[in-house]
Amino acid sequence: GAVVSQHPSWVICKSGTSVKIECRSLDFQATTMFWYRQFPKQSLMLMATSNEGSKATYEQGVEKDKFLINHASLTLSTLTVTSAHPEDSSFYICSASWDRAFANTGELFFGEGSRLTVL
Amino acid sequence: AQSVTQLDSHVSVSEGTPVLLRCNYSSSYSPSLFWYVQHPNKGLQLLLKYTSAATLVKGINGFEAEFKKSETSFHLTKPSAHMSDAAEYFCVVSSKGDTGRRALTFGSGTRLQVQP
Repeated sequence: GAVVSQHPSWVICKSGTSVKIECRSLDFQATTMFWYRQFPKQSLMLMATSNEGSKATYEQGVEKDKFLINHASLTLSTLTVTSAHPEDSSFYICSASWDRAFANTGELFFGEGSRLTVL
Repeated sequence: AQSVTQLDSHVSVSEGTPVLLRCNYSSSYSPSLFWYVQHPNKGLQLLLKYTSAATLVKGINGFEAEFKKSETSFHLTKPSAHMSDAAEYFCVVSSKGDTGRRALTFGSGTRLQVQP
C-alpha cells in the first residue's frame, strides 16, 4: 500500500523558535498533500491543502505566516511553524494522495503524525 | 454539503464480544465512506472503504461495514473484540461538491475501550 512518512515524530522547542515538519510519500507521487492539526481527544482539523509546485490553500482561520507550507516536489511537503508559542503545541498529521485515487474516491494516506511541544 | 455524525463518543466492550461503532452521514452527491483507526500518538490507518461497489465492505483485522443508503448509515462492526482494537475510530465521508472538487469531512471520533 501507499506509505507516507512524517518526521520528526516528536519535537520539543523553545518559545519563539521555528520548527519544520516533513511529510514524504515513499512509494507514490503525491500530487496533493493535506496538513491537519489534532487537539487532545478531538477530530482532525484541516489546516491547508498543498499541491506540488503551487501555493498552499489555507483553511479559514489558519495563519499563513505562522504555518508555512511548501510542496516543492511530488514526494515532499513541509510544514514550518514559525515563532512557535505554547498554544501551537499540538499533534500535526499530514496526508497525501495522487490525482486518480483522490479524485475517484477521496482516499488519503496518512503519516504517523508529529507531536509538537513548545515550552 | 456533507456531514458525518458518529453517534457514540465512547464505546466500551469486553474482549471477545461484538463491536458496533455507529456512523451516519449526509451528502448531496454520491459519497465515498471510510473508517480509519488511530492508536495513541499515531497517524490514521485505513480500516475499510466504500466507493459505490459492494455495500458490505470487509476491511482489515476482521472489521466490516455496511453502506445503507436508505438509512444514510455506515456502521462499523467486528464479531469479536481484541484488546489491540482499543483505539480511536473515525468515520469519514467524501464527495464532490458543486464545483466538482472533492472534499472530506471527518467525524468527531469514537473511542473504543476493550475490557479484559
